[in-house]
Amino acid sequence: GDSVTQMEGPVTLSEEAFLTINCTYTATGYPSLFWYVQYPGEGLQLLLKATKADDKGSNKGFEATYRKETTSFHLEKGSVQVSDSAVYFCALAPDSNYQLIWGAGTKLIIKP
Amino acid sequence: EPEVTQTPSHQVTQMGQEVILRCVPISNHLYFYWYRQILGQKVEFLVSFYNNEISEKSEIFDDQFSVERPDGSNFTLKIRSTKLEDSAMYFCASSDVSREMYEQYFGPGTRLTVT
Repeated sequence: GDSVTQMEGPVTLSEEAFLTINCTYTATGYPSLFWYVQYPGEGLQLLLKATKADDKGSNKGFEATYRKETTSFHLEKGSVQVSDSAVYFCALAPDSNYQLIWGAGTKLIIKP
Repeated sequence: EPEVTQTPSHQVTQMGQEVILRCVPISNHLYFYWYRQILGQKVEFLVSFYNNEISEKSEIFDDQFSVERPDGSNFTLKIRSTKLEDSAMYFCASSDVSREMYEQYFGPGTRLTVT
């Protein structure tokens, strides 16, 4: 069945460092891909999305490109801030239904 | 900005008891969802709901679970006879049928603890 695999955390970086959180997926057809973020004590917030191959989603300085050839959707940010500390979830929506299938989440810790 | 709300934030119940988790979706949204996350595990889809009926459900959503839209604003998840393994964070979400339905907006979650 469809699945999402993302790098294990926690990922600890210093402020202004470059961030990459890897996400790969297995799916039939043409899924949509998402990154959600969960700040401490809060719910799941949509960070960015891409609905077809080669689309780039971007928001708040974060970017991810839908790579069908490598079945990947890696999250990147050029210069992280302490306020980016959160858990980041990669997810996909199969093209046949509306269920979101989730990765395990990656906790990001940014130190000043 | 409109948001999905959930109550209570934390519910403690004894095994075998019934619980109802409540959600208020974004007002103009028409699709509603429940997900759960057992501590340390992935977020899992439970059920989706549209036009007053279940659209899809997962294998987790067995006969002990039910959902209801009792009025124009609330969306509830009922667990009839809770088990220890039902302890999890339960997230409600909604989406707007006039936009891409995959853009689901989530509430803050209800932490259910079954003792």
